[in-house]
Amino acid sequence: EVQLVESGGGLVQPGESLRLSCVASGFTFNINWMSWVRQAPGKGLEWVANIQRDGSAGFYVDSVKGRFTISEDSAKSSLYLQMNSLRAEDTAVYYCATETGNSNSYYFDNWGQGTLVTVSS
Amino acid sequence: EIVLTQSPATLSLSPGERATLSCRASQSINTYLAWYQQRRGQAPRLLIHDASNRATGIPVRFSGSGSGTDFTLTISSLEPEDFAVYYCQQRKTFGQGTRLEIK
Repeated sequence: EVQLVESGGGLVQPGESLRLSCVASGFTFNINWMSWVRQAPGKGLEWVANIQRDGSAGFYVDSVKGRFTISEDSAKSSLYLQMNSLRAEDTAVYYCATETGNSNSYYFDNWGQGTLVTVSS
Repeated sequence: EIVLTQSPATLSLSPGERATLSCRASQSINTYLAWYQQRRGQAPRLLIHDASNRATGIPVRFSGSGSGTDFTLTISSLEPEDFAVYYCQQRKTFGQGTRLEIK
């Protein structure tokens, strides 16, 4: 079993930056891809970005391209999300999650408890 | 891009009853669909993957079926802890959720 713990959320003003972290522990040896998924207050789930564990590939939802950067440090079993030029619409709980499957069918089998990001003046 | 549409938006049932939740894809996705449960204030939890495979530790009262564009999550006999929001997912797309509430 894999445990995921996020940190780094908080209250920031529009245009500011924040860096989220996620530390994985437990049976992490077979994790290949990891994602950030967010949930705005009272809303549904939205996939934000993912990255291959060796950092060789990363993808983003269109609304954050050019503003967010996903990265990882396998030696530290850690996942990061650098968020720049934050907007009010980025306000959400951000979850890190592990992916299992292949390019056709993958699913999120382990989730952290989430960290809240609030963007407001 | 595939769109997933869940129905109903809200389902009101009593403990012990059978729940049937639907997820429809805008184009065929074979059996590439997962279901999640999210209780209030908690992170989502994987229930079903590849349309019909229960995740580790998920009770047998949860079952999934379907292929192509139409999928169903069935809870055979509702327990109090089952009242939550349920999402379907295919790759990077989530459905909008079905809220299962106590009648």
